[in-house]
Amino acid sequence: GENVEQHPSTLSVQEGDSAVIKCTYSDSASNYFPWYKQELGKGPQLIIDIRSNVGEKKDQRIAVTLNKTAKHFSLHITETQPEDSAVYFCAAGGSTLGRLYFGRGTQLTVWP
Amino acid sequence: GAVVSQHPSRVICKSGTSVKIECRSLDFQATTMFWYRQFPKKSLMLMATSNEGSKATYEQGVEKDKFLINHASLTLSTLTVTSAHPEDSSFYICSAGGQGPDTQYFGPGTRLTVL
Repeated sequence: GENVEQHPSTLSVQEGDSAVIKCTYSDSASNYFPWYKQELGKGPQLIIDIRSNVGEKKDQRIAVTLNKTAKHFSLHITETQPEDSAVYFCAAGGSTLGRLYFGRGTQLTVWP
Repeated sequence: GAVVSQHPSRVICKSGTSVKIECRSLDFQATTMFWYRQFPKKSLMLMATSNEGSKATYEQGVEKDKFLINHASLTLSTLTVTSAHPEDSSFYICSAGGQGPDTQYFGPGTRLTVL
């Protein structure tokens, strides 16, 4: 089955700096790559996603890039704010109908 | 749009009792719903996939007789933890699909504590 690796596991940045989280996947059949933000005690919230027919997608301060050849995709958060502090999960879908395969998560801490 | 609710948000029960958790898609119809379990500081572990009107598909190692799943309508799926034991204590999260290929929207989760 699909295997998704996510790095780093923890990331600390100063408010206003950028944060980058990287994921790799193993199954070339995967074609859907969402990113979720999970705050403590809450369910994951879909923040951005990308499909394999595009290489980059941006939504205000967040962007996702995809390199299908290398099988990796990344989340970029610019001008970070303390409220961006949370656990971020990447996932890959499309290889098994409806199912998502998740990375292990990245704890992002933004210091004021 | 794409709001998923779960009820209850927290439940404490005695060992040996059964607990039912409801998952609802509030503003869209979900042909498929997923149930996950999450341990502290860990990733999401898929337990089962449920399709409306058919039997759920369980992941390897998940006891289907212990974790009963019913997907009775396009907006409601339930997970019943039967004969709960302290090791079943966990954060249970559902998600609903159907808005687009492979897209999943998550509920807020249910914290189960078995005494």
